[in-house]
Amino acid sequence: ETGVTQTPRHLVMGMTNKKSLKCEQHLGHNAMYWYKQSAKKPLELMFVYSLEERVENNSVPSRFSPECPNSSHLFLHLHTLQPEDSALYLCASSQEPPLTRTDTQYFGPGTRLTVL
Amino acid sequence: AQKVTQAQTEISVVEKEDVTLDCVYETRDTTYYLFWYKQPPSGELVFLIRRNSFDEQNEISGRYSWNFQKSTSSFNFTITASQVVDSAVYFCALSNDRGSTLGRLYFGRGTQLTVWP
Repeated sequence: ETGVTQTPRHLVMGMTNKKSLKCEQHLGHNAMYWYKQSAKKPLELMFVYSLEERVENNSVPSRFSPECPNSSHLFLHLHTLQPEDSALYLCASSQEPPLTRTDTQYFGPGTRLTVL
Repeated sequence: AQKVTQAQTEISVVEKEDVTLDCVYETRDTTYYLFWYKQPPSGELVFLIRRNSFDEQNEISGRYSWNFQKSTSSFNFTITASQVVDSAVYFCALSNDRGSTLGRLYFGRGTQLTVWP
């Protein structure tokens, strides 16, 4: 089983749809992350979870709603998105979260989201 | 403030050529970590290496080598005898080890490497 998996790999949705992105890590890590990667922009950290508790939320619009039911799973619920939200959404995990120590983050393959 | 600069936006080489990807970083911290990730067309960021600020020894892993120089705040990545499968976007990243941003990754904008057969 690969370390960090994400589903779906591709998603096309309308502005009025509600969808969810799923991430699962098989590394026994305690921290999980959502990043957004837009064309020609640096990777943007969106959310950080440590042991199922959100520890960071970087001014992300409320139309993005994360959920971490356990330390292995992370969701990103999407609703009423805008076309500018089209991007690659990457999930990552690390043994420990930020503010504890620096741990290597391992990334999933991403979900390519297109908002029409 | 933490900052990573990858000045080379795109590099094209022919197979078997050596290629160096530049990374310059800025930080006021004395303890920090530097990373390189590879992002092939499939999208996943693949972890390549992590170095801490106290270890300036250069590292070699197969065709990959890294040159860490604190005097110039650089952490350059060289691929020897490049192959088509090396084509990807390569990201350099920095993380510091204290304060309110402890453990956060600061990424450069990436360098698109294309290796032609």
